Amino acid sequence: GAGVSQSPRYKVAKRGQDVALRCDPISGHVSLFWYQQALGQGPEFLTYFQNEAQLDKSGLPSDRFFAERPEGSVSTLKIQRTQQEDSAVYLCASSKLGEYSYNEQFFGPGTRLTVL
Amino acid sequence: AQKVTQAQTEISVVEKEDVTLDCVYETRDTTYYLFWYKQPPSGELVFLIRRNSFDEQNEISGRYSWNFQKSTSSFNFTITASQVVDSAVYFCALSEDSNQFYFGTGTSLTVIP
Repeated sequence: GAGVSQSPRYKVAKRGQDVALRCDPISGHVSLFWYQQALGQGPEFLTYFQNEAQLDKSGLPSDRFFAERPEGSVSTLKIQRTQQEDSAVYLCASSKLGEYSYNEQFFGPGTRLTVL
Repeated sequence: AQKVTQAQTEISVVEKEDVTLDCVYETRDTTYYLFWYKQPPSGELVFLIRRNSFDEQNEISGRYSWNFQKSTSSFNFTITASQVVDSAVYFCALSEDSNQFYFGTGTSLTVIP
């Protein structure tokens, strides 16, 4: 497809379970971003990749959160030992170029994670 | 401190009315970029506009217009002759000298037919 895709679209996890969320960026896009959007809030930055390099992970809320993009295309956000406060929509975005902040970010539909 | 403030949580207008969504930002950088995104009920954020800090010229695109004023650190968005399809949550975002975006908390717009 032409846009950013994410899977699964919905995920229900029991507290303590590990989850993995997948993002397929637009082909050829160098930069990839993960955001967390709590209900009624704006997206909050989690982490950023330029190709396979994770250049900024300052937004990851704890060491239970881990992201990777081993071949510079598909990315996976993993959350270990999920907690109820992890319930949110996780958005992935990609942009064409690798530098500067004027690049438009194209967003995927998100994965809605519910932790029971 | 919140870098982007959208003070209007929810707005309702009747179809064909004009509506302005406010955005106030905070940054110490001289080079920065401002964005507006639309998030319809489907959830996917849709890019509307990008503006850099050196270009204060207002922009019009169809029924949409944007008013960027550095003196008041505002980047307001006006929809003229609103339509039901404009109902969505609208986010203003700021990007400084990095690739990180700072989003506001969003304004939920409901256009009543």
